[in-house]
Amino acid sequence: EVQLVESGGGLVQPGGSLRLSCGASGFIFSNYWMSWVRQAPGKGLEWVANINQDGSGKYFVDSVRGRFTISRDNAKNSLDLQVNSLTAEDTAIYYCARPGSGSGSYGAFDIWGQGTMVTVSS
Amino acid sequence: EIVLTQSPATLSLSPGERAILSCRASQSIGRYFAWYQQRPGQAPRLLIYDASNRATGIPARFSGSGSGTDFTLTISSLEPEDFAVYYCQQRGSWPLTFGGGTKVEIK
Repeated sequence: EVQLVESGGGLVQPGGSLRLSCGASGFIFSNYWMSWVRQAPGKGLEWVANINQDGSGKYFVDSVRGRFTISRDNAKNSLDLQVNSLTAEDTAIYYCARPGSGSGSYGAFDIWGQGTMVTVSS
Repeated sequence: EIVLTQSPATLSLSPGERAILSCRASQSIGRYFAWYQQRPGQAPRLLIYDASNRATGIPARFSGSGSGTDFTLTISSLEPEDFAVYYCQQRGSWPLTFGGGTKVEIK
């Protein structure tokens, strides 16, 4: 079964950091770009970051660039998101997603994890 | 940044009716366009990719059309499980962006 499982969320104070992780199974992880997408409580979806197959290409939404880092370990089938300098605006469910369907280098998000909640509050 | 504007914000329909959801992009994105469904408490699910291709396991009542700046998702006959929020998304240029969503609710 194709599956993504996130972990690492929690309650953190403003200015704090967390490391979110995503474990992949059921597909050849190293063949795919991978992504993080977040959703603030009661709000819509926001793309956060993408990483290409060998980790040499990384892309971020402006609001997190310089504060968040995306990385992957193809040997362990894992994807990470290091989130630093957190503010209340970063409070959201963070989804790991595979952009695997469609033409081009990366596709639409065809596989999603269940999400991990990050709450930034004092 | 490409802005995606979805309309209407809310669509009130009865089971068996046809739903037509629209999404307009602020710039042309070719066919690098997708639709997602999100039910309460669940992760989003891919419905349509590359504007008109149904994702694996998606029923034929869901169809997508459009290119350039105007896209449509049609649900031919609403089933009870189709009442949910629908998002459009573009991957034609960075940053990847989503529309604000259309809620399809039971009338």
